[in-house]
Amino acid sequence: SQELEQSPQSLIVQEGKNLTINCTSSKTLYGLYWYKQKYGEGLIFLMMLQKGGEEKSHEKITAKLDEKKQQSSLHITASQPSHAGIYLCGADSGGSGNTPLVFGKGTRLSVIA
Amino acid sequence: NAGVTQTPKFQVLKTGQSMTLQCAQDMNHNSMYWYRQDPGMGLRLIYYSASEGTTDKGEVPNGYNVSRLNKREFSLRLESAAPSQTSVYFCASSAVQDASYEQYFGPGTRLTVT
Repeated sequence: SQELEQSPQSLIVQEGKNLTINCTSSKTLYGLYWYKQKYGEGLIFLMMLQKGGEEKSHEKITAKLDEKKQQSSLHITASQPSHAGIYLCGADSGGSGNTPLVFGKGTRLSVIA
Repeated sequence: NAGVTQTPKFQVLKTGQSMTLQCAQDMNHNSMYWYRQDPGMGLRLIYYSASEGTTDKGEVPNGYNVSRLNKREFSLRLESAAPSQTSVYFCASSAVQDASYEQYFGPGTRLTVT
């Protein structure tokens, strides 16, 4: 079965600093999803990557999928308190869509003034 | 457009009691899912339903049952609650759209079993 490992498990950064969260898969990724969860709330979709080498950006968040499609990184530029939360990566476990996502254990991000 | 809704938001049960968690989506999605989230464990799949009338076990199905009542609704039942089922439960739904299978999540149900 596919497993996703996220690193680091937790991160404390000063406001304005850049940071990177990694997600490594035990198998080839057919689709890699990044979600953000605010404390005590549900998951909010950030972006999805499918092609090796693909990179997507939304506001100050950039996600990349490596060429071999086994690792993804999420980079936040000039972090703000609104970026605080838990970031989870999820992978399409079946490769054909509409199958359950397998999730990493999450990275807890705190942004301090 | 409410997306995915879950009821209740909070629940406290005593060991051995039963309850049903309700989930509904208004996006006409075929697939629906139940996950549980525990500290340090991430999200783990309990059951899912790829389409109306079908259900399949996920990673942690023991102690749970599900019903796909219709295309909109997917309920999760705890027949005899145990402290190990204290968790946050999330319902999600998805459909293929532009080659993306984004799952939409509900706000969660916080369940405590004493």
